[in-house]
Amino acid sequence: EPEVTQTPSHQVTQMGQEVILRCVPISNHLYFYWYRQILGQKVEFLVSFYNNEISEKSEIFDDQFSVERPDGSNFTLKIRSTKLEDSAMYFCASSEERFATYEQYFGPGTRLTVT
Amino acid sequence: GQQVMQIPQYQHVQEGEDFTTYCNSSTTLSNIQWYKQRPGGHPVFLIQLVKSGEVKKQKRLTFQFGEAKKNSSLHITATQTTDVGTYFCAGRHSGGYQKVTFGTGTKLQVIP
Repeated sequence: EPEVTQTPSHQVTQMGQEVILRCVPISNHLYFYWYRQILGQKVEFLVSFYNNEISEKSEIFDDQFSVERPDGSNFTLKIRSTKLEDSAMYFCASSEERFATYEQYFGPGTRLTVT
Repeated sequence: GQQVMQIPQYQHVQEGEDFTTYCNSSTTLSNIQWYKQRPGGHPVFLIQLVKSGEVKKQKRLTFQFGEAKKNSSLHITATQTTDVGTYFCAGRHSGGYQKVTFGTGTKLQVIP
């Protein structure tokens, strides 16, 4: 069964450093998403991406964040200058545009630890 | 902003007992999805409800969408240890947008 993959599984970085989290969505999917989940809390929407541009973003997704689909298969989330509060699990998800059904398939996540 | 709350936050049940989690949105939803997240895992899509008053069943799981499309519930009959995890509802708000707002989640623990 096709699945969303994410790399790395765990990233440790120092405050102020840039990080890039990588995702490979399911190949025939058209919509891509990033979510984050602080330990023990709910899943929070960051951004959705369709047709090579951001379609929606949340208040969390400020100027420090950017997304890109550099090569038609990868989907990346960049955090320019990490803060301690960016420590969380980051999930990538993708969905297939199919009538009105947008069920999302999540990747296994990247645990980001900012020290 | 749009909020989606779930109750209870935690639930411990004896294996074989039933379990229900309730989801309430501050605004009308175009549809609602349910996800299960095992400890240390990622959210896994369970089902989507679209119509007002809709009821769907998956084996021991029953999902309902309220008439006003602002609330939903998930009921598990005769829980098993494999049901352990956190159950999230996720509402897509009216307007046809892609964003879903996840609920606060209900963590289910099943005692064998």
